[in-house]
Amino acid sequence: NAGVTQTPKFRILKIGQSMTLQCTQDMNHNYMYWYRQDPGMGLKLIYYSVGAGITDKGEVPNGYNVSRSTTEDFPLRLELAAPSQTSVYFCASSYSSEGALTGELFFGEGSRLTVL
Amino acid sequence: RKEVEQDPGPFNVPEGATVAFNCTYSNSASQSFFWYRQDCRKEPKLLMSVYSSGNEDGRFTAQLNRASQYISLLIRDSKLSDSATYLCVVNIQGYSTLTFGKGTMLLVSP
Repeated sequence: NAGVTQTPKFRILKIGQSMTLQCTQDMNHNYMYWYRQDPGMGLKLIYYSVGAGITDKGEVPNGYNVSRSTTEDFPLRLELAAPSQTSVYFCASSYSSEGALTGELFFGEGSRLTVL
Repeated sequence: RKEVEQDPGPFNVPEGATVAFNCTYSNSASQSFFWYRQDCRKEPKLLMSVYSSGNEDGRFTAQLNRASQYISLLIRDSKLSDSATYLCVVNIQGYSTLTFGKGTMLLVSP
């Protein structure tokens, strides 16, 4: 199993450009998440999904969009990139037991985005 | 008040030392607890779950105090490789997301 795979690992964007961060998992997890982590700071939840076709906002959703058309994939779209979106982005997935979150998140290796 | 609070550190300790971190949580509906480890510029990874009766995994011991709403992590005989940020994580009943603390940085020196 590859686990959670994120692409690209690094990207530099110009202000106003758009891009999609890809995330795929091969563990058949129904829960998936996108976090951002600024230097020296904690994780902030951007969006999450509890299953295909279902997405919800986290604490910092502005400037981002997501979709979940399959169990495996959870892409994060940045529209009109701004310097404030310079960060490391982590995708994560988890399984649930009897509809409840179990607590172990499996993270991808991160995507380092710089907006200039 | 933040839902999960941790001392950011850094905790600077020599090899072989014993070090302990605490974490407090504010939501009484918190039902399960975890410690994650994050190495510099890497993704977080689950270190251990925290059970009501306390649990031990090698040099690591985790404790839960529900009455006072805190959890702790004790590391004995610190190794250089223990240098990392330790994240306290809480699962609140009914939530579909975990609540992460900002982490405590540990630096173990020779």
